[in-house]
Amino acid sequence: ETGVTQTPRHLVMGMTNKKSLKCEQHLGHNAMYWYKQSAKKPLELMFVYNFKEQTENNSVPSRFSPECPNSSHLFLHLHTLQPEDSALYLCASSQALSSGRAKDEQFFGPGTRLTVL
Amino acid sequence: AQKITQTQPGMFVQEKEAVTLDCTYDTSDPSYGLFWYKQPSSGEMIFLIYQGSYDQQNATEGRYSLNFQKARKSANLVISASQLGDSAMYFCAMREGLSTNAGKSTFGDGTTLTVKP
Repeated sequence: ETGVTQTPRHLVMGMTNKKSLKCEQHLGHNAMYWYKQSAKKPLELMFVYNFKEQTENNSVPSRFSPECPNSSHLFLHLHTLQPEDSALYLCASSQALSSGRAKDEQFFGPGTRLTVL
Repeated sequence: AQKITQTQPGMFVQEKEAVTLDCTYDTSDPSYGLFWYKQPSSGEMIFLIYQGSYDQQNATEGRYSLNFQKARKSANLVISASQLGDSAMYFCAMREGLSTNAGKSTFGDGTTLTVKP
């Protein structure tokens, strides 16, 4: 596998279910991100991890719980979601974040299309 | 606060012609990077081109070039010789280098490009 992979690609869940999204990067990066992309809305940054430490939580509801066990893996645990949480969830990775370093592009996975019934 | 503006929700271009997608940005950080991504209907975000705030020349990558006008804070993407496979959503993004937001990317709302045969 190369680049950034995400599983599952599609997920349908009820509001009482608990599920997890998985992201894995094979690029040797140290920063990983979760984004939410809803229809007719701009890409929303949810969480940022740098060297496994969470550096950003963009006011995300607690029903979304991220986990970064190592620099290559990122999870998003979902529980008691709402229908408005239906969206495309994109994972990305980049070189480690540091002040003065603006060059590094993010590499995105294919996304998980989530539908909450 | 940083901000990215893409004023064209949708654009049409004839195959083999050139097209310009507009992007303006706002930041007080002297060090920043500007990125363009392509998102086909499959959902994956694909990095296209990067321009650094201190770069003296406009960036080019194959058929993609970036018309960087620093004083006007614009970073328009030019696609030459459009192909049917260029039909996709295009996002402009910015990352600041020196601020406390170092490393975080902000994305515009995107422009949907349709290439006509």
